[in-house]
Amino acid sequence: QSVLTQPPSVSGAPGQRVTMSCTGSSSNIGAGHNVHWYQQLPGTAPKVLIYDNTHRPSGVPDRFSGSKSGTSASLAITEVQAEDEADYYCQSYDSSLSGWVFGGGTKLTVL
Amino acid sequence: EVQLLDSGGGLVQPGRSLRLSCAASGFNFGNFAMVWVRQAPGKGLEWVSSVFGSGYGPKYADSVKGRFTISRDNSKNTLYLQMNSLRAEDTAIYYCAKGEGMEMTNYHFDYWGQGTLVTVSS
Repeated sequence: QSVLTQPPSVSGAPGQRVTMSCTGSSSNIGAGHNVHWYQQLPGTAPKVLIYDNTHRPSGVPDRFSGSKSGTSASLAITEVQAEDEADYYCQSYDSSLSGWVFGGGTKLTVL
Repeated sequence: EVQLLDSGGGLVQPGRSLRLSCAASGFNFGNFAMVWVRQAPGKGLEWVSSVFGSGYGPKYADSVKGRFTISRDNSKNTLYLQMNSLRAEDTAIYYCAKGEGMEMTNYHFDYWGQGTLVTVSS
């Protein structure tokens, strides 16, 4: 059971907009700690997609965006493409655990 | 170019020990916190341990506390994870990653190694 809760799967057709959520609590996201998102393509290491809730590293397409409100955060992908098919993880810091926590991951399927 | 190269994984019997290494290049290693994150087969990511650039303030997940020890040699640009009393549930790919951020509580991990597989089985 992960500290941050993500839906196990989402799907969308090419060109559609998809969103995925990350729900935490008052000891992590709700405590004001930033949320970061990672993309993990099959058989590869995770790659940071969004950091500090809304920022994209250079090289990440602007189709990817992040938001945060209260104890939750969301990742949105506009105009989803086949190459976006991957697992997505949210991450934050938990004050009660004194450590970093990840969501269980969401598998994106492009139909 | 930042590169992190994980090594040291393998098959080990329950109760035995293993030491992982992560060789870093392309950045000022001693200025950055480093972490170990693991991923059990078919499962999600789990933060394992972290250490500041100076080697100060090691932190551990409850699942490994008392069994694993993180360390670093800044003269060799290398991060280590000494794993003792290994259990079947420690079986996972272990990734080292570089910490980035203004404050520890807002760190994200901007570069990752390729991972090294640890299998604990008799």
